[in-house]
Amino acid sequence: AQSVTQLGSHVSVSEGALVLLRCNYSSSVPPYLFWYVQYPNQGLQLLLKYTSAATLVKGINGFEAEFKKSETSFHLTKPSAHMSDAAEYFCAVGLSGYKLSFGAGTTVTVRA
Amino acid sequence: NAGVTQTPKFRILKIGQSMTLQCTQDMNHNYMYWYRQDPGMGLKLIYYSVGAGITDKGEVPNGYNVSRSTTEDFPLRLELAAPSQTSVYFCASSKNLAGAAYEQYFGPGTRLTVT
Repeated sequence: AQSVTQLGSHVSVSEGALVLLRCNYSSSVPPYLFWYVQYPNQGLQLLLKYTSAATLVKGINGFEAEFKKSETSFHLTKPSAHMSDAAEYFCAVGLSGYKLSFGAGTTVTVRA
Repeated sequence: NAGVTQTPKFRILKIGQSMTLQCTQDMNHNYMYWYRQDPGMGLKLIYYSVGAGITDKGEVPNGYNVSRSTTEDFPLRLELAAPSQTSVYFCASSKNLAGAAYEQYFGPGTRLTVT
């Protein structure tokens, strides 16, 4: 079954520093991959998606992710963290029937 | 558009009580989903629907029921509440369009406590 694993449940970065969130997937076929963000006390919103058109995907708020088939990874990065990036981030893989399987989530804290 | 709306925002239930969590979307999306979110566990799919009159079980359906009589509404029913159902519940919807069907729009959630 297709699934994703997020490495690190908590990440703490300084404002202006690189944000790197790790996600590895297991899939026997080219997957649909997604990153969602959840701000405190809100629902999830789509950050970006990979659908095989390009390996480097740009999303909202300056985030991007790179699909690496050889490493079965889809890591999320942002060159310079902002205080408003403090949130929980979820990697997800598309399943048959247009369902999603989510990782456990990574909480990002941004230090001033 | 209001998007996906959920009511109530918060609820406390006693063990054995029943309740319905309401979910409505105004985007004319065919696909709708119910998830529960527990700390450190991500989101788990409870039930989903691909259109009015069609529902199917997700990963964790036990203790829940759903119905889909209209495109807009997808209520989730808890019949005999148990402490294990203490969680945050999210409803989501997506378009019936290849690729875009995976882009789910989420409601703000319902925080349920069963004591």
